Amino acid sequence: RKEVEQDPGPFNVPEGATVAFNCTYSNSASQSFFWYRQDCRKEPKLLMSVYSSGNEDGRFTAQLNRASQYISLLIRDSKLSDSATYLCVVNSIGRSASKIIFGSGTRLSIRP
Amino acid sequence: NAGVTQTPKFQVLKTGQSMTLLCAQDMNHEYMSWYRQDPGMGLRLIHYSVGAGITDQGEVPNGYNVSRSTTEDFPLRLLSAAPSQTSVYFCASSRTGLAGGVLPVEQYFGPGTRLTVT
Repeated sequence: RKEVEQDPGPFNVPEGATVAFNCTYSNSASQSFFWYRQDCRKEPKLLMSVYSSGNEDGRFTAQLNRASQYISLLIRDSKLSDSATYLCVVNSIGRSASKIIFGSGTRLSIRP
Repeated sequence: NAGVTQTPKFQVLKTGQSMTLLCAQDMNHEYMSWYRQDPGMGLRLIHYSVGAGITDQGEVPNGYNVSRSTTEDFPLRLLSAAPSQTSVYFCASSRTGLAGGVLPVEQYFGPGTRLTVT
């Protein structure tokens, strides 16, 4: 079982729709969580951190569920420009130092 | 600020050749790392460094060496290139925070190096 798992998609939704992705992680000692966005053939860029209390940034809402070991990303009123791959990232302390695991990404395609 | 820069952007190597991928950042970040990205695999950590003079192995370190003589630079050396090392390589940097200052917070990525080994 992968340490961080994401549904690869693709999710193909119409403009204006609400879409949500989940990301599950296996290490209960994981300490910090992030969502990154990656456009085709570009580098990943931070979309938002995920806090225990949940956080919102405009149309984007991220939540953490430690009991069930998953994080989620909700995109409301989706735009064509939201088409990208969304990567979840889980950080934990490994045997020697930090351990950073990226999910393999969820592809989102917004259609007009 | 240039952020994180990587050179070269593209490279073709023959099996057995060696080369160094360069990475530099001008944000005075303590934490730097190298990833490779393959289709369907996500980003996998090769090596990382929490400061000058300190490096450690990530998930897939075999076939690669790193060094960190300055805060700014973190080169990745391919010792003897193999076709399995065909990939896109990303360098990233971050300040550290949380958990005693060990975990990186937001990571800034370079534009990547697309490497093909024939």
